[in-house]
Amino acid sequence: DTAVSQTPKYLVTQMGNDKSIKCEQNLGHDTMYWYKQDSKKFLKIMFSYNNKELIINETVPNRFSPKSPDKAHLNLHINSLELGDSAVYFCASRRTGGHEQYFGPGTRLTVT
Amino acid sequence: ELKVEQNPLFLSMQEGKNYTIYCNYSTTSDRLYWYRQDPGKSLESLFVLLSNGAVKQEGRLMASLDTKARLSTLHITAAVHDLSATYFCAVDSDSNYQLIWGAGTKLIIKP
Repeated sequence: DTAVSQTPKYLVTQMGNDKSIKCEQNLGHDTMYWYKQDSKKFLKIMFSYNNKELIINETVPNRFSPKSPDKAHLNLHINSLELGDSAVYFCASRRTGGHEQYFGPGTRLTVT
Repeated sequence: ELKVEQNPLFLSMQEGKNYTIYCNYSTTSDRLYWYRQDPGKSLESLFVLLSNGAVKQEGRLMASLDTKARLSTLHITAAVHDLSATYFCAVDSDSNYQLIWGAGTKLIIKP
């Protein structure tokens, strides 16, 4: 059974478009995250939700908007895509008071 | 601000050799995590170290934590090609449920 899933796995789109990435976890965790990994493999935290409430909102353009309809889902919507948004986006989840984060398979976004 | 530094950032070594990756962090924390990432893949949890002096071993990899020195090490014994990957360490920030990540160490093991 997949623990943390993301769709789509690959996303190729043109500058200026709006796109969404979806994430679901079936681990019963109450904290979920979005990370951006650039070409140099550096992991940057973007957002974190705990029990559907935003708790981390790092300095990212406001073109990025997370939405958590329930504890098992955290989606990421990106408006007016730019070339610099090209990266791999990872969703992760974690149990509060728990330990490691569990990562989804990633979504490779390419903006042309 | 909590910072996590890994070194080296890149390591190329021969099969059969031993080596150590270091992870230093800048504030008190007693929870440290090691992850592995294969090219084009996701991050996989390797070790969870939860107290000073913790030592975990899995196959040819051994991780340890010294919270007083704010240092964790990932030791590779008799490296094999299959261990080639990028290894990340991360530390609990004690707030906001956030992990602070190192930059990763890209390990290449040549046959």
